[in-house]
Amino acid sequence: NAGVTQTPKFQVLKTGQSMTLQCAQDMNHNSMYWYRQDPGMGLRLIYYSASEGTTDKGEVPNGYNVSRLNKREFSLRLESAAPSQTSVYFCASRTAFASNQPQHFGDGTRLSIL
Amino acid sequence: GQQLNQSPQSMFIQEGEDVSMNCTSSSIFNTWLWYKQDPGEGPVLLIALYKAGELTSNGRLTAQFGITRKDSFLNISASIPSDVGIYFCAGQSGSARQLTFGSGTQLTVLP
Repeated sequence: NAGVTQTPKFQVLKTGQSMTLQCAQDMNHNSMYWYRQDPGMGLRLIYYSASEGTTDKGEVPNGYNVSRLNKREFSLRLESAAPSQTSVYFCASRTAFASNQPQHFGDGTRLSIL
Repeated sequence: GQQLNQSPQSMFIQEGEDVSMNCTSSSIFNTWLWYKQDPGEGPVLLIALYKAGELTSNGRLTAQFGITRKDSFLNISASIPSDVGIYFCAGQSGSARQLTFGSGTQLTVLP
């Protein structure tokens, strides 16, 4: 009953380093999402994948890239990390893209950029 | 983009008291969701509301979808220590059913 699994749970990077955050879901969901959460704010959408083979920008995509590797996996890449990208990153999935069904979230990756 | 105003930002209550929090928006949503986030974890769905006027309960939690489709509230009755956490409202709208989150209500339950 893993649901949405994110790795790593914690990471510290230096400015300019690159990193890929991994996300996998075992619920056979079609849609997957990446959010960031900053203090005092709700979650903001970075990128999403409506279905395998497609990706689209969300509200705050600058500085990030994504890959929908297969139906289960959706990765988020920081090519050149900046201190402004220090945040908690959450991956989520949902049965279908244009669905009223709620999104299910992983436990997050806590990322610090020095 | 769309914005949700969630209030209050934080609450300190005595164990056993009832709690109420709400979200309002200038935009219409077709689904309202309430999530709880514990420290170090991701948001967990508490209640989903799909119809204007809908009132739904989940144990000690009750939530309502406002009839204008621009607001929702969450009530917690007889609070207990494990209710501590951050509560988020979220609205879904548009053909893509994108989620817009409120900024959260931090709940502290005092013994």
